[in-house]
Amino acid sequence: SQTIHQWPATLVQPVGSPLSLECTVEGTSNPNLYWYRQAAGRGLQLLFYSVGIGQISSEVPQNLSASRPQDRQFILSSKKLLLSDSGFYLCAWSGASGTEAFFGQGTRLTVV
Amino acid sequence: AQSVAQPEDQVNVAEGNPLTVKCTYSVSGNPYLFWYVQYPNRGLQFLLKYITGDNLVKGSYGFEAEFNKSQTSFHLKKPSALVSDSALYFCAVKDNYGQNFVFGPGTRLSVLP
Repeated sequence: SQTIHQWPATLVQPVGSPLSLECTVEGTSNPNLYWYRQAAGRGLQLLFYSVGIGQISSEVPQNLSASRPQDRQFILSSKKLLLSDSGFYLCAWSGASGTEAFFGQGTRLTVV
Repeated sequence: AQSVAQPEDQVNVAEGNPLTVKCTYSVSGNPYLFWYVQYPNRGLQFLLKYITGDNLVKGSYGFEAEFNKSQTSFHLKKPSALVSDSALYFCAVKDNYGQNFVFGPGTRLSVLP
């Protein structure tokens, strides 16, 4: 069966520090991968999605970047965090068109 | 462009009563529709989906949803609510051309004992 792992679960980082959040999927190949941010426990904002290795689409210009170095690995990064980067970050994967997305457990990032 | 509306910020129901969480959508092609539930500080859990076929789809934990093409709606329902159903519910849509999911703003469901 397929599983998605996202870590760490919580993270407190100072302003100006770098960020690296990792997401890996097991049990499937060539998944579509997504990074979302959720503010204040409400709506999801799509940050990045990827349909293949090295293929990244950015939905919102911001202080973050994403990379997909391997088929089932998706990394969210920042060189210098801002206070406004605080939030709940969710990684997700989906298969062929029409199938649902499956979410990781999320990372609560607090920038102080 | 795709969009999803969940007109109610909050829905309160008494335990044992039926519940409905509303969702309307807009897509350019045929819609693929989804419902998710989120508990505090957790990821979203998939409940059910409509791709094609019967307009009434059944999902996890006794939830069901009805696809209504003319009203562009996909309301989530459950005949008898449980206190443990209290959570944040998201409707999502994807058209048959794209790869992305568009989520609604979420509806907080509170089931009162």
